[in-house]
Amino acid sequence: DAGITQSPRYKITETGRQVTLMCHQTWSHSYMFWYRQDLGHGLRLIYYSAAADITDKGEVPDGYVVSRSKTENFPLTLESATRSQTSVYFCASRRVNTEAFFGQGTRLTVV
Amino acid sequence: QQQVKQSPQSLIVQKGGISIINCAYENTAFDYFPWYQQFPGKGPALLIAIRPDVSEKKEGRFTISFNKSAKQFSLHIMDSQPGDSATYFCAASMDNDMRFGAGTRLTVKP
Repeated sequence: DAGITQSPRYKITETGRQVTLMCHQTWSHSYMFWYRQDLGHGLRLIYYSAAADITDKGEVPDGYVVSRSKTENFPLTLESATRSQTSVYFCASRRVNTEAFFGQGTRLTVV
Repeated sequence: QQQVKQSPQSLIVQKGGISIINCAYENTAFDYFPWYQQFPGKGPALLIAIRPDVSEKKEGRFTISFNKSAKQFSLHIMDSQPGDSATYFCAASMDNDMRFGAGTRLTVKP
């Protein structure tokens, strides 16, 4: 199916565990983004990527790692999950400075 | 520091009224200003967008007003409908960066 998909949709993990959130897009968009959404904070940029093998930090990168070995995939890893990382995570993709398309989100709970 | 400031945080409007949401940005390198609409349980979806070479853009009931010198832009929803009840985010963007405001929860009462 064409579009941008995130997996899993829901995840519960324990403090200290490593967890990876997946993002896949079928448009070959150059740019991909990871955001977290928390009440009162809107969407805060975690990491972004301009192309395969090119990534950069956003506003709140601490505790997260990204990679982009293929244009279509942009996984986000929490190396050692903390309760403060409980959030809804959104992945987005777009061409150069145009409309961004968002996935359905992953609701992550760290207990 | 928050690069895009959005207000109000919440807004209640009667059906048929005008909803106005305001945003201000810091970085003059931003050159694309979209508004996104988000319904519960869904990802944000583009509503309307503007580039800084125009001062206003209208699409149906939705209008963006843009003031480049003041680094401010706003969304006007005319004839607001209950189906417009959602969270609205403004954003400011350049090639490899896109920052959002904190969001406005709009409720349109019938």
